[in-house]
Amino acid sequence: GENVEQHPSTLSVQEGDSAVIKCTYSDSASNYFPWYKQELGKGPQLIIDIRSNVGEKKDQRIAVTLNKTAKHFSLHITETQPEDSAVYFCAAVPTYNTDKLIFGTGTRLQVFP
Amino acid sequence: SQTIHQWPATLVQPVGSPLSLECTVEGTSNPNLYWYRQAAGRGLQLLFYSVGIGQISSEVPQNLSASRPQDRQFILSSKKLLLSDSGFYLCAWSPRLGGEQYFGPGTRLTVT
Repeated sequence: GENVEQHPSTLSVQEGDSAVIKCTYSDSASNYFPWYKQELGKGPQLIIDIRSNVGEKKDQRIAVTLNKTAKHFSLHITETQPEDSAVYFCAAVPTYNTDKLIFGTGTRLQVFP
Repeated sequence: SQTIHQWPATLVQPVGSPLSLECTVEGTSNPNLYWYRQAAGRGLQLLFYSVGIGQISSEVPQNLSASRPQDRQFILSSKKLLLSDSGFYLCAWSPRLGGEQYFGPGTRLTVT
């Protein structure tokens, strides 16, 4: 079945620096990869996603890249701000059950002013 | 636009008491519905999901159950709560197969 690994588990950056979170997946046929941001005490919020027919997608300061050959995808946040501090989860849809999402274990990002 | 509601927002219950958490979705029809649990500082554990009224798939054997009495209503229940049932319960909906999921605000359950 699908397995999603996420690194690092914690990440601290200075305001204005970039942050990169990486995920690897095991199911080579997976074709949808969302990223979620969870602020303390709230539900996860979908912030960006990518499908396997594209290699990169951008939305203002955030971007996601996908390398299908290596089976990994990454979240890039540029010009980080304190409000970017949160837990970020990656996910993938397993081909054995497209009703589900398999989540990574999360990355706690702290942006220091 | 679509919105998802969960209630209550917080709940403190004694061990052995029953549980009923409710989730409703507005602005869409025939959604997939999901219940997740999140322990403090941990990841998302899928408990149940439903692709239609009365159709429930269980992911983890436990003393919890789920029901979907209406198209946009998903209920998580327990007859007798355990201490280990404490956590943050999240409901989510998805508009289609293999698609994005949207989460509700969550219910924080503390079993004492």
